[in-house]
Amino acid sequence: TQLLEQSPQFLSIQEGENLTVYCNSSSVFSSLQWYRQEPGEGPVLLVTVVTGGEVKKLKRLTFQFGDARKDSSLHITAAQPGDTGLYLCAGAVAGGGADGLTFGKGTHLIIQP
Amino acid sequence: DAGVIQSPRHEVTEMGQEVTLRCKPISGHDYLFWYRQTMMRGLELLIYFNNNVPIDDSGMPEDRFSAKMPNASFSTLKIQPSEPRDSAVYFCASSLANWGGGSEQFFGPGTRLTVL
Repeated sequence: TQLLEQSPQFLSIQEGENLTVYCNSSSVFSSLQWYRQEPGEGPVLLVTVVTGGEVKKLKRLTFQFGDARKDSSLHITAAQPGDTGLYLCAGAVAGGGADGLTFGKGTHLIIQP
Repeated sequence: DAGVIQSPRHEVTEMGQEVTLRCKPISGHDYLFWYRQTMMRGLELLIYFNNNVPIDDSGMPEDRFSAKMPNASFSTLKIQPSEPRDSAVYFCASSLANWGGGSEQFFGPGTRLTVL
């Protein structure tokens, strides 16, 4: 089983600040997904990155897949209270079937107004 | 589409009772997953089905847990007998055919189970 470690586990910052959260593993993944989960709801996919070094932007969110496809980061610019939630990364292994999708434990993010 | 539907949303029961959680996946999806989420352990895959057939149940904690998918539009996760350590949020998710790792999974709203 591939392990994904996310850091920090908890982060509380003021509105308007920038932040970066990390997703690291010793395993190589064919793709990596980021999900966001709001209280009382299930996770919702934000982005999938598939190429080493790939950078994708979603408004104020920037996702990067490491060159070696073992790690990823999520950077949020000018955080807003609506960004509050649990951010989960999930790595997939090519040919691993549906069980190749391994979730990290997540980063709990709170943006204070 | 209404998305993945789970019922009940909340369940409170006493230790030793049988609990049945229900899930209706998105129509046309080939895969169905059952997860359990706790603060300590995060999101854990319990079992998943492909075309109604259980593929991997290695995540099921013990024999007290069982899951079925009698048809493409319905699945159940049963705990019998339930124990306090089973308290968690249980999610059902579905996805289209896996393209080689990592198709988007669509999650239901979850069932919050409390075993007293």
